[in-house]
Amino acid sequence: GESVGLHLPTLSVQEGDNSIINCAYSNSASDYFIWYKQESGKGPQFIIDIRSNMDKRQGQRVTVLLNKTVKHLSLQIAATQPGDSAVYFCAESMKAAGNKLTFGGGTRVLVKP
Amino acid sequence: EPEVTQTPSHQVTQMGQEVILRCVPISNHLYFYWYRQILGQKVEFLVSFYNNEISEKSEIFDDQFSVERPDGSNFTLKIRSTKLEDSAMYFCATLRTTYQETQYFGPGTRLLVL
Repeated sequence: GESVGLHLPTLSVQEGDNSIINCAYSNSASDYFIWYKQESGKGPQFIIDIRSNMDKRQGQRVTVLLNKTVKHLSLQIAATQPGDSAVYFCAESMKAAGNKLTFGGGTRVLVKP
Repeated sequence: EPEVTQTPSHQVTQMGQEVILRCVPISNHLYFYWYRQILGQKVEFLVSFYNNEISEKSEIFDDQFSVERPDGSNFTLKIRSTKLEDSAMYFCATLRTTYQETQYFGPGTRLLVL
């Protein structure tokens, strides 16, 4: 039969509040992690990345935290704006594996005005 | 800012037909990838390409799929005999070098197989 699409977890957040999106990655040997934003009908858009030798990296309004002990990645968005409404994917890769990306299941963020 | 471009944006085809999806990578990028995303599902790796040959391919990338860079600029994905389950968004991604690990994605081609 026809496969059923993933049910995306949804985070509803008030405009101006901070958002935290979590991701569990699968491969303890992964050495590079990326957060992508995907708007409807568009390709994944790079937000921020972090290498495995770091545990925190900050960008403009975004922070990524990496906990290798429990294979957990999070994305924090400060002062969430309506334009932040999208699906967010984490992705992991290994340089030794040609940098192919393995994507997580995604989280839908809905920003309420 | 340089972008990855893809054509066509949408393609509708009959089952069994061949399709060719095209990508123009960012000009100084050396590593090329195809991914697909079935509606409502996560993005899946198909194939990576470097120095005019396949570096790695997934289980999805069977004999019906092929990639090439025919003219040194375009990077193409060909599906020889499409199946219903090939319906998906297909994304091209490019990477400058392995020392810069961020892959930049194109806008995708929506393929619908009837």
